[in-house]
Amino acid sequence: ETGVTQSPTHLIKTRGQQVTLRCSSQSGHNTVSWYQQALGQGPQFIFQYYREEENGRGNFPPRFSGLQFPNYSSELNVNALELDDSALYLCASRSDSGTDTDTQYFGPGTRLTVL
Amino acid sequence: GEDVEQSLFLSVREGDSSVINCTYTDSSSTYLYWYKQEPGAGLQLLTYIFSNMDMKQDQRLTVLLNKKDKHLSLRIADTQTGDSAIYFCAETYTDRGSTLGRLYFGRGTQLTVWP
Repeated sequence: ETGVTQSPTHLIKTRGQQVTLRCSSQSGHNTVSWYQQALGQGPQFIFQYYREEENGRGNFPPRFSGLQFPNYSSELNVNALELDDSALYLCASRSDSGTDTDTQYFGPGTRLTVL
Repeated sequence: GEDVEQSLFLSVREGDSSVINCTYTDSSSTYLYWYKQEPGAGLQLLTYIFSNMDMKQDQRLTVLLNKKDKHLSLRIADTQTGDSAIYFCAETYTDRGSTLGRLYFGRGTQLTVWP
């Protein structure tokens, strides 16, 4: 049990639609990262937020955007969905203080299917 | 720090030892991680090793790090059927000595344990 939760667990959308995925981090974890895991692949870094600002981004287009809120919750938004966006989306949080700052704790993921 | 390679499949008998291997490219990686993913689930952190260490043991798990060859291995002693899962090796992306928290993952090794 990592203390990181995600919703919904599964989602089906059609091409061109928009989707919002949600994550709730552990209390005190000011950094949240989002990853996309396509079938049969390892997770790919999308972006990272620290204290409500984006501070790192992987090779994903601008239609992938995010928000982080002061209550340790965050969102991943994807516009103009494409078939290749079908994947498991994972959020991970970590603390920026204490001795555990380099450990990321992952949520169970949201399985997105785009038809 | 973007190329993490793992063999895709490993099969062992229950009670035997399993050794999962990984090679990475970023010599400035600070931490290297092993995550476990069971079907339909998120990532569970198993263990990690700091880059100035050669070995770390944690109950049935032994991590060996060869920095010269950029080779990481995970040994699971007395492998059980419950260990059947996908195991991911990951390295932390570093930039100018600071850890940004971005993880680069391999494709994962599917471990199958036969009774």
